[in-house]
Amino acid sequence: GAVVSQHPSWVICKSGTSVKIECRSLDFQATTMFWYRQFPKQSLMLMATSNEGSKATYEQGVEKDKFLINHASLTLSTLTVTSAHPEDSSFYICSAGPYSTDTQYFGPGTRLTVL
Amino acid sequence: GQQVMQIPQYQHVQEGEDFTTYCNSSTTLSNIQWYKQRPGGHPVFLIQLVKSGEVKKQKRLTFQFGEAKKNSSLHITATQTTDVGTYFCAGPRSNTGKLIFGQGTTLQVKP
Repeated sequence: GAVVSQHPSWVICKSGTSVKIECRSLDFQATTMFWYRQFPKQSLMLMATSNEGSKATYEQGVEKDKFLINHASLTLSTLTVTSAHPEDSSFYICSAGPYSTDTQYFGPGTRLTVL
Repeated sequence: GQQVMQIPQYQHVQEGEDFTTYCNSSTTLSNIQWYKQRPGGHPVFLIQLVKSGEVKKQKRLTFQFGEAKKNSSLHITATQTTDVGTYFCAGPRSNTGKLIFGQGTTLQVKP
């Protein structure tokens, strides 16, 4: 149980375009999902908390207009990287947890490359 | 702010040797979690420790939670090449449900 999927697994786009990444909880409902960013050989950096039915909360230094989050249902959150630039190239990972014990289950990640 | 520190950053061992990574939090944690990330992969949940002084084992992996609930360790006995990856500890940020991750320890195992 506790499976999280993410789509796409990788994407290459041109600078200036927008990219949408989907995160789904497959066998549980998640009122909260988390979006992380990971640069090579570094730890996971929490970008934002996606809340079903309400606005996402962003970590300090993360531009909310740049990284749009929509949590439209209890099983789906989307992250849209708007007007992507090469510095946005990274590994984006979502997570969710079915219990109240904070344990998080991660999606397989999306590797974004902006040319 | 609340921080979770992890050492060492890298560890190279010969197959069959033991390995330990240490995790220290600046604050008392309600629980500590450990994740493993294989090269090119995503973090996979290994275990959660909740009680002070708790010790849990998963085959060759032994996890400990300190008495003060501020530190933890992961020990691997007789490493194998399948143990290669980065091990992260993570603790909940106070009253938020969010996780703060350590920097991770990357383990390389020479066959």
